[in-house]
Amino acid sequence: AQSVAQPEDQVNVAEGNPLTVKCTYSVSGNPYLFWYVQYPNRGLQFLLKYITGDNLVKGSYGFEAEFNKSQTSFHLKKPSALVSDSALYFCAVRARNSGNTPLVFGKGTRLSVIA
Amino acid sequence: DGGITQSPKYLFRKEGQNVTLSCEQNLNHDAMYWYRQDPGQGLRLIYYSQIVNDFQKGDIAEGYSVSREKKESFPLTVTSAQKNPTAFYLCATADPGNSPLHFGNGTRLTVT
Repeated sequence: AQSVAQPEDQVNVAEGNPLTVKCTYSVSGNPYLFWYVQYPNRGLQFLLKYITGDNLVKGSYGFEAEFNKSQTSFHLKKPSALVSDSALYFCAVRARNSGNTPLVFGKGTRLSVIA
Repeated sequence: DGGITQSPKYLFRKEGQNVTLSCEQNLNHDAMYWYRQDPGQGLRLIYYSQIVNDFQKGDIAEGYSVSREKKESFPLTVTSAQKNPTAFYLCATADPGNSPLHFGNGTRLTVT
C-alpha cells in the first residue's frame, strides 16, 4: 500500500525566512513524488516532481524539494518565504512500478507566512 | 486550470436529490479522476478512468457514480445514498506515466 504523511497541519514562518514543509512516504519500490499548492477555493497547482536522478528538485515560484531515500522523505523548501506563499500544500506519491494507479495524497499542510 | 472546466462552481441541493457535477477537459488526456476534499482530510479518491468506457472505484466510491462516454468528459453523480455529500469536489486529468495531475477549480456542493 502507498501512503503519505505530512506531520504538520500548520507551519508558520516570517517573511524572508526559509521555510520547510515536511513529507514522508511509504511505497513498494521506488517512488514518483509530487508537491502541489492550493489557494482558497481553487484546484491544486503542480509545483515540482521527483522521478529519478538528482535528489534536489527545483520547481515553480522558487520552491525546491530534496528526495531522501534512506529517510523516505521529500521535504519542500524555499530559501526566503513570501506572504504570497501562504496556501495549502500537498505531497503525493505513486510507486514507479504501479502503472497508472492514482496518486496518493497527504492530508495537507497549511503554510502561513507572516509579514 | 484553463484546460479543465468544472461546473458549476457552487451547487446547492436538498437532501435526497441526486446531483451531477460536470468535468470537461481539452488537454487530450487519457486519465481522469474525481477527488473529494474535506477540511483536515486531504484529497480522497472517488472514481477514476484511464480510458473511455472504463472506470474504477477509488477509496470512497459508495454513494457516487460516474460515466466515461467521451474522452473529454467525466461527470460525477452524487446520489441520495451518499451519507455526507457536502464537500469540495475536484476533477483532475493526466497523461500516463509520471506526468503530474492537472486539476480543475472545483465544485463546492452543499446539501441541506
